Amino acid sequence: QSVLTQPPSVSGAPGQRVTISCTGSSSNIGAGYDVHWYQHLPGTAPKLLIYGNNNRPSGVPDRFSGSKSGTSASLAITGLQAEDEADYYCQSYDSSLRGGVFGGGTKLTVL
Amino acid sequence: QVQLQESGPGLVKPSGTLSLTCGVSGGSISSSNWWSWVRQPPGKGLEWIGEIYHSGNTNYHASLRSRVTISVDKSNNQFSLKLSSVTAADTALYYCARLIAVSVRYYFDSWGQGTLVTVSS
Repeated sequence: QSVLTQPPSVSGAPGQRVTISCTGSSSNIGAGYDVHWYQHLPGTAPKLLIYGNNNRPSGVPDRFSGSKSGTSASLAITGLQAEDEADYYCQSYDSSLRGGVFGGGTKLTVL
Repeated sequence: QVQLQESGPGLVKPSGTLSLTCGVSGGSISSSNWWSWVRQPPGKGLEWIGEIYHSGNTNYHASLRSRVTISVDKSNNQFSLKLSSVTAADTALYYCARLIAVSVRYYFDSWGQGTLVTVSS
């Protein structure tokens, strides 16, 4: 059971917009710790997609955006492309566990 | 751009010790960053194992604390993971990563490709 809760799967047609939610608690997201998002294709290294709730590393398209409110966060992907099909993980820090925590991952399918 | 590469045995016997090394290139392990291990059991999500600073300070996942040791080798620009008394539940893809930990910001900005470790007799 992951500390952060994500939907197991989401899907959308090319060109559409999808969002992935990430729900935490008062010891992680709700405590003010930033939320970060990773894109993971099987057999490859996870890729940092969003850091600090809503910042994109160099090279990440602006189709990807993040937001945070209270004990939850969201990743939005607009203009869906076939290459976006991957697993997406949210991540934060937990003050009770004193370490990093991840969501269970969300599989994005581009229809 | 820093690059990380895991290495070590892909098969470990039950009750044995898993040992992995992460070589760092394109940057110094003595820079102001932490270095971390993350694993992914088959069909499951990512799990933080622990982290080390170049000074040797460490933090470990509470559930693994009694079995895990992370160390740093500054002369070879690498850090290592040892996990003792392994069981089949420790079978996973093991990743090393650079950890950025500043104030409320705690995230992994560079990752290795990962190495599969299977615990089996």
